[in-house]
Amino acid sequence: GESVGLHLPTLSVQEGDNSIINCAYSNSASDYFIWYKQESGKGPQFIIDIRSNMDKRQGQRVTVLLNKTVKHLSLQIAATQPGDSAVYFCAENNDGNTGKLIFGQGTTLQVKP
Amino acid sequence: DSGVTQTPKHLITATGQRVTLRCSPRSGDLSVYWYQQSLDQGLQFLIQYYNGEERAKGNILERFSAQQFPDLHSELNLSSLELGDSALYFCASSAGWASGSGRETQYFGPGTRLLVL
Repeated sequence: GESVGLHLPTLSVQEGDNSIINCAYSNSASDYFIWYKQESGKGPQFIIDIRSNMDKRQGQRVTVLLNKTVKHLSLQIAATQPGDSAVYFCAENNDGNTGKLIFGQGTTLQVKP
Repeated sequence: DSGVTQTPKHLITATGQRVTLRCSPRSGDLSVYWYQQSLDQGLQFLIQYYNGEERAKGNILERFSAQQFPDLHSELNLSSLELGDSALYFCASSAGWASGSGRETQYFGPGTRLLVL
């Protein structure tokens, strides 16, 4: 069935290091992917998105990589800061006629000072 | 602040009751989405409205219904509540420039935390 899964439930990194959060998706028809950050008690916050016609997209301190061959998505955070501590979700859309997003289970990022 | 507002922030009610959750999308956004977040199911898509019309349905229970009004705000109605309906309910909105709003960035509100006792 449809699923977007994450490889690791928790990732712990040292402040200043780079973080890489991975995500696998199962539907090869998916052509739009989004990363969200959710802090405790808040709603998901948009970080970055990528369409299937791209392999890489960069934002401020974040990069998303898409490997359609192996159906894998990753979020790289440069110079991780304590404020980056949160749960990170990847989500996919495989129906261009609707905005239905399928979310992964989430990865908790813990940043050690 | 995403620009999406939701009320109330918290709701405590009893089994069998009915509640209404309200969402105001970002200014100008035509599409509104409802998601449920629970510990065991994660974030699940419930329903999408586009400019007042239902556009897509997820695994939304028959006891749940939603609508989008002419001013584009939306309400999610939950009836005959059960303990298992306790969850966070999020509303999101997107511009709606693309027909159906596929591949559009969705901006989430702060959520309504529902506790059914």
